[in-house]
Amino acid sequence: RKEVEQDPGPFNVPEGATVAFNCTYSNSASQSFFWYRQDCRKEPKLLMSVYSSGNEDGRFTAQLNRASQYISLLIRDSKLSDSATYLCVANPQYNFNKFYFGSGTKLNVKP
Amino acid sequence: DAGVTQSPTHLIKTRGQHVTLRCSPISGHKSVSWYQQVLGQGPQFIFQYYEKEERGRGNFPDRFSARQFPNYSSELNVNALLLGDSALYLCASSSTGGNQPQHFGDGTRLSIL
Repeated sequence: RKEVEQDPGPFNVPEGATVAFNCTYSNSASQSFFWYRQDCRKEPKLLMSVYSSGNEDGRFTAQLNRASQYISLLIRDSKLSDSATYLCVANPQYNFNKFYFGSGTKLNVKP
Repeated sequence: DAGVTQSPTHLIKTRGQHVTLRCSPISGHKSVSWYQQVLGQGPQFIFQYYEKEERGRGNFPDRFSARQFPNYSSELNVNALLLGDSALYLCASSSTGGNQPQHFGDGTRLSIL
């Protein structure tokens, strides 16, 4: 079983729509979680950290559910520029960065 | 401030050769990690170094090795290259290598013929 699993998509949504992605992780000891965005043939870029209390950054909201071992990302008012692959990350160790990445969820925002 | 820089950008090698990839972390960051990303997959963890010591290793064969220098830059070495080593190799840095997010370089795209 993979450490982190994501629905590969693609999610095809119109501009202005709200879209949500979920991601499950298998290691209950995972300590920290992140969402990265990756454009085609580019490096992953940090979108946001995911805190236990949930966090919001503009149109983006991330939630963590430790009981069910999943994290979510909600994007409101989608823009064309949001089209990318969104990578979910779990770090099972407190003392070093052994990030486990999901395979990514592809989002296409259409005019 | 400069971000994470990697060199070279692209590289073409043949089977059996070896390769050295280089990475300079963000100024002030002491931790460097290496990842391999094949098409359609997320990055896979190879190594992490912090303060010149290996802190973690992923499920990669001994053909893969790395080191970190006193200035916190790092090299990834791969010997006896196989076709399956063709991938994007990403370097990421963070300040202390604990729970902080990592910041990635542009990567080195390695093609094995």
